[in-house]
Amino acid sequence: DAGVTQSPTHLIKTRGQQVTLRCSPKSGHDTVSWYQQALGQGPQFIFQYYEEEERQRGNFPDRFSGHQFPNYSSELNVNALLLGDSALYLCASSAQGAGGYTFGSGTRLTVV
Amino acid sequence: GQQLNQSPQSMFIQEGEDVSMNCTSSSIFNTWLWYKQDPGEGPVLLIALYKAGELTSNGRLTAQFGITRKDSFLNISASIPSDVGIYFCAGQRTLYTGANSKLTFGKGITLSVRP
Repeated sequence: DAGVTQSPTHLIKTRGQQVTLRCSPKSGHDTVSWYQQALGQGPQFIFQYYEEEERQRGNFPDRFSGHQFPNYSSELNVNALLLGDSALYLCASSAQGAGGYTFGSGTRLTVV
Repeated sequence: GQQLNQSPQSMFIQEGEDVSMNCTSSSIFNTWLWYKQDPGEGPVLLIALYKAGELTSNGRLTAQFGITRKDSFLNISASIPSDVGIYFCAGQRTLYTGANSKLTFGKGITLSVRP
């Protein structure tokens, strides 16, 4: 049973560029959340998708956007990249109404 | 954004020793969770606590949900080398819709175990 799958695992981008990160949730899960983890910090909530809609959002600018597809997979898009966007981006899936999040191994984004 | 309070940032213990770490918040949570993160990996859930005062064990790990709902602690007994990693606490509130709410994490404690 595959857990949460994220791609790519590593990515290097230049300031000002745009990036798309992808996530496939664990089988049986219908809700996807995205977190940003800067070096030496705990994960910070970006947003959550359920039924292809953004349901909750953390304190992140509009440069961060997302999408959920009918098969529950999700994308995180970041526009106009800043050096400070360099971080590990984690995807977590869950079943709506049930406790417990399963995290993926993350995408390491480096902005130069 | 808000983060829960975890300190110290690092802990060093001898193999076989017990270790306790706690987590505090200025606000109430309905659920407390403890995660472990290894290098290059995402956090893995160790223990989930759903009720104030609850004490839950998972092997050598024991965690408690504070009575005030503003704190939790995790105890690891008889530590072994594979306990090395970063331990995060996380709090969660239940939305009125019943939907899963976001997790609020602490900064984590890096645990080192000397053989």
